[in-house]
Parts: sequence; C-alpha cells; structure tokens
Amino acid sequence: NAGVTQTPKFQVLKTGQSMTLQCAQDMNHEYMSWYRQDPGMGLRLIHYSVGAGITDQGEVPNGYNVSRSTTEDFPLRLLSAAPSQTSVYFCASSSGMGYTFGSGTRLTVV
Amino acid sequence: LAKTTQPISMDSYEGQEVNITCSHNNIATNDYITWYQQFPSQGPRFIIQGYKTKVTNEVASLFIPADRKSSTLSLPRVSLSDTAVYYCLGVGYNNNDMRFGAGTRLTVKP
Repeated sequence: NAGVTQTPKFQVLKTGQSMTLQCAQDMNHEYMSWYRQDPGMGLRLIHYSVGAGITDQGEVPNGYNVSRSTTEDFPLRLLSAAPSQTSVYFCASSSGMGYTFGSGTRLTVV
Repeated sequence: LAKTTQPISMDSYEGQEVNITCSHNNIATNDYITWYQQFPSQGPRFIIQGYKTKVTNEVASLFIPADRKSSTLSLPRVSLSDTAVYYCLGVGYNNNDMRFGAGTRLTVKP
C-alpha cells in the first residue's frame, strides 16, 4: 500500500498565484486532514473532513479551500498565494485511531 | 479541545528509559490521549493512544492516572534514532480535529 501520497513534494509560487496541493490515500480512511508546519513550530490544522462530501475548518483556514468528492482524495487549494503561506504542508488520514501522515509538500511563496 | 502542556526539550543517553509527561487539566470526558513522534523533514508518526490506566505496545507505554489530568509517555532503552519531537494531544473519539502543540524535543546522546 502506498499510504498517503502528496504531490508535489516541492513548489515555488509567486505572490497571487493559485495552486492545488494533492493528497490521496488508498486505505479507505474516512477522516482526512491538512496541516501546515512552519520552521521550528508544531503543526496547525487547516481543514479536515470526516467523509466524502463533508469538510470543516481547523485553526488556520483563511486563504485555503478544500473539497472531498471521493473517499480517496482531499485536495487543498491556495486561492491567492501569499508569502505568509510559505510552509510545509502535511496531509493525513485515519480510520479512527491514529493518523497516517504523508511526506509533505514544501511550499515557498516569493 | 484539551490544551496540553509538555516540556520543550529533554536530553537522555542511549539505553536509558525516558519518561515525557504531558499535562491536560481540562481534558474532556470523551477525549483520548494520543502521542505522535516526528523526525526532521517527515510527517508525524502515531505512537500510542489511551483513555486511562496503562497502555503498552511494541514501541512505548502510556500511563494515565485516574484523574486523567496528565499522562506519561515511557520509551524503554532509547537509542540515537529516538531523537525526535514528541507531541501529546487530547483528541475526541473520532480523532478528526487534532490540534498539535509545540511538542517535546528529545535528544538522545551516545
């Protein structure tokens, strides 16, 4: 099993550009989440989903959109990138106990 | 959501047992205590989860006293590869809205 797959691994954006970070899991997990982690900091929850068609906001949702049209996929959209969104983004999924995290997307906004 | 407090850092030596204590005075009745481990440039990895008393798996033990206001993660005979950041979280039954704190940076020395 691949687990949680995030693409791309690295991305550089210009201020104002939009993009989608992809996240896919092949474990048939109901729950999926997106986090960002700034240097030397803990993870902060952006959005999460408890199943296909259901999403909710976390701690830092501004500037990000999500959708969950299938169980497997949970893309994160940056609407208009800002330098403050420079961070490492982690996607995670769970069936109820313990989350499996992806390897992350390192995003730089210049 | 339970607010957790952990030491910022700890040092240990190879072969020693390490105990990391987490305070969660306002933990909700239905919350579980969950611990994650994170290595540099990787996503967190689930270690252990418990509700009360003691839970043990192949990696660690988790001790939660009757009042549930704190918990202790115990790592037996640590090695250099256990150097990582350890996060304690209070999470609801479905683990679908997890909030990470700053964690405890454990450094294992030879």
